[in-house]
Amino acid sequence: AQSVAQPEDQVNVAEGNPLTVKCTYSVSGNPYLFWYVQYPNRGLQFLLKYITGDNLVKGSYGFEAEFNKSQTSFPLKKPSALVSDSALYFCAVRLYTGTASKLTFGTGTRLQVTL
Amino acid sequence: DARVTQTPRHKVTEMGQEVTMRCQPILGHNTVFWYRQTMMQGLELLAYFRNRAPLDDSGMPKDRFSAEMPDATLATLKIQPSEPRDSAVYFCASGWLSGYSYNEQFFGPGTRLTVL
Repeated sequence: AQSVAQPEDQVNVAEGNPLTVKCTYSVSGNPYLFWYVQYPNRGLQFLLKYITGDNLVKGSYGFEAEFNKSQTSFPLKKPSALVSDSALYFCAVRLYTGTASKLTFGTGTRLQVTL
Repeated sequence: DARVTQTPRHKVTEMGQEVTMRCQPILGHNTVFWYRQTMMQGLELLAYFRNRAPLDDSGMPKDRFSAEMPDATLATLKIQPSEPRDSAVYFCASGWLSGYSYNEQFFGPGTRLTVL
């Protein structure tokens, strides 16, 4: 079954330090991978996606993610975390059935950035 | 600034009552999704539509849930009768998607449903 896994329920990091949020995937064929962020009492917001091309993808708010085919991973990274980055982060993979596409989301990782 | 809108934002109802949630997708988007988010189950896809036609509603309890798109500017999700276990945040999302390309989905702010 095609899926994504986010092994960490929570990640804690100090402001100014680099952050990484892990994501691994399991798909047949070439994966389309996404990261979304959810702030409290809000809907999900798109951060970035990998479809093809460069393995390093840059997105909104200074976030980036690196597609690693051999490790089937797509971790979200940021060189210097901000307190305002504290939120719930979701990794997702596109599931294509031949007639339609939909996203399968991971369970989410809560990022807590402290001063 | 185009965005997905959802009404109501909050709904408290009693078990057995009918609940209708509405969504206005972004103009020009051809695909609309309904999701449910709970602490226990996370984010679940309930149903989605392409060009107003239902493509997949396998995530939806068929006996009490129904989803429709009466026109391109309105999607509805109904629960009848509602049960306490339906308490969750329901999100609508829209996007321009095709079989060979996949653009991002834009999410609405959600409807927080509490069934007593």
